[in-house]
Amino acid sequence: DAGITQSPRYKITETGRQVTLMCHQTWSHSYMFWYRQDLGHGLRLIYYSAAADITDKGEVPDGYVVSRSKTENFPLTLESATRSQTSVYFCASSFRVGGAYEQYFGPGTRLTVT
Amino acid sequence: DAKTTQPPSMDCAEGRAANLPCNHSTISGNEYVYWYRQIHSQGPQYIIHGLKNNETNEMASLIITEDRKSSTLILPHATLRDTAVYYCIVRVVNAGGTSYGKLTFGQGTILTVHP
Repeated sequence: DAGITQSPRYKITETGRQVTLMCHQTWSHSYMFWYRQDLGHGLRLIYYSAAADITDKGEVPDGYVVSRSKTENFPLTLESATRSQTSVYFCASSFRVGGAYEQYFGPGTRLTVT
Repeated sequence: DAKTTQPPSMDCAEGRAANLPCNHSTISGNEYVYWYRQIHSQGPQYIIHGLKNNETNEMASLIITEDRKSSTLILPHATLRDTAVYYCIVRVVNAGGTSYGKLTFGQGTILTVHP
């Protein structure tokens, strides 16, 4: 199916564990993003990427690692999960339309760190 | 990027037009206005964007004032499924370089459509 998918949709992990959230898009969009959404903070950007092998930090990157070896995939890894990383994580991809960017989001991964 | 101001909440009757305002009085000439919405527990959804002229697509219309200091998103015939948080975002045109069109979301407007 065309679009942007995230897996898993729900994940419960323990403090200190490493966990990887997957994001896959079928549009071949160059730009991809990871956001987290918490009550009281709205959507905050974690990392973003312009193309394969090009990534950069967003607003809240600490504790997260990303990679982008292929255009279609943008995994997000929590190296040692903490309770403060309990959140809903959204992946997005974007393309340029003239001077503007249209951004499309995945369904989200709800992560609970116990 | 220019700051935006939106009312925290609005109500609308089903079948009526929903008019969501956004103030962006500090907008500069090279900034687009984007609208996204987020239905409960789902990822944000792109609605529409504009620079100077009014825009319309299958989802909504965007009316931008002549001085560009404010805009209104219009859902012409609101349905219960349009109940969501609506975000107005201002972003620089051609913001490539190291920004890649990344968006900064505010608190948005909670639109509740009533039967």
